[in-house]
Amino acid sequence: AQKVTQAQTEISVVEKEDVTLDCVYETRDTTYYLFWYKQPPSGELVFLIRRNSFDEQNEISGRYSWNFQKSTSSFNFTITASQVVDSAVYFCALAGRRALTFGSGTRLQVQP
Amino acid sequence: DAGVIQSPRHEVTEMGQEVTLRCKPISGHNSLFWYRQTMMRGLELLIYFNNNVPIDDSGMPEDRFSAKMPNASFSTLKIQPSEPRDSAVYFCASSLGSSLAGVNNNEQFFGPGTRLTVL
Repeated sequence: AQKVTQAQTEISVVEKEDVTLDCVYETRDTTYYLFWYKQPPSGELVFLIRRNSFDEQNEISGRYSWNFQKSTSSFNFTITASQVVDSAVYFCALAGRRALTFGSGTRLQVQP
Repeated sequence: DAGVIQSPRHEVTEMGQEVTLRCKPISGHNSLFWYRQTMMRGLELLIYFNNNVPIDDSGMPEDRFSAKMPNASFSTLKIQPSEPRDSAVYFCASSLGSSLAGVNNNEQFFGPGTRLTVL
């Protein structure tokens, strides 16, 4: 079985603050992939990043960065200098033997 | 590219009626996924196809739900008879298949979703 836990249901920050969204996963597969998706208020799901279980190198893309730690089964997502446009629900997801399993999502509200 | 196309975008129906949701994947993608999103249960994978063949339908809630993919460019999700608890947003997604242990690990492109309301 595979499971993704996003313990933070909702986070509210003020613009320009940094914010980290937590993701913890469980799987028995030795090979798996982790994803983050963004769901803005308009409702569509937008792919942000994919990492495989053999690549623990952290990744930075503009204001976004991801910290993958296999030892703690975590794949956390940090937004630096948050902006109002970052307000959305963010989903962490895992694909192993079974296709994508999503976490329950974290709603991020960035106040101006 | 047009992206994943879903129709209708909104559907309101009465309990007991048949509902058919449609999806056109991105051209060239060989995997197609159906998801359901509700407040209570979040995003759930219902079924996915690879090369038009159903691979995993363990997420299909019950026999009232069925999905088909008659060709590489079209899929349907049917609910018959519909019930109020089926009200949700249904997403279709497509991707290029991966050869890793038969599991699709590539980025999935999602359609805009169909918001279904069953009265």
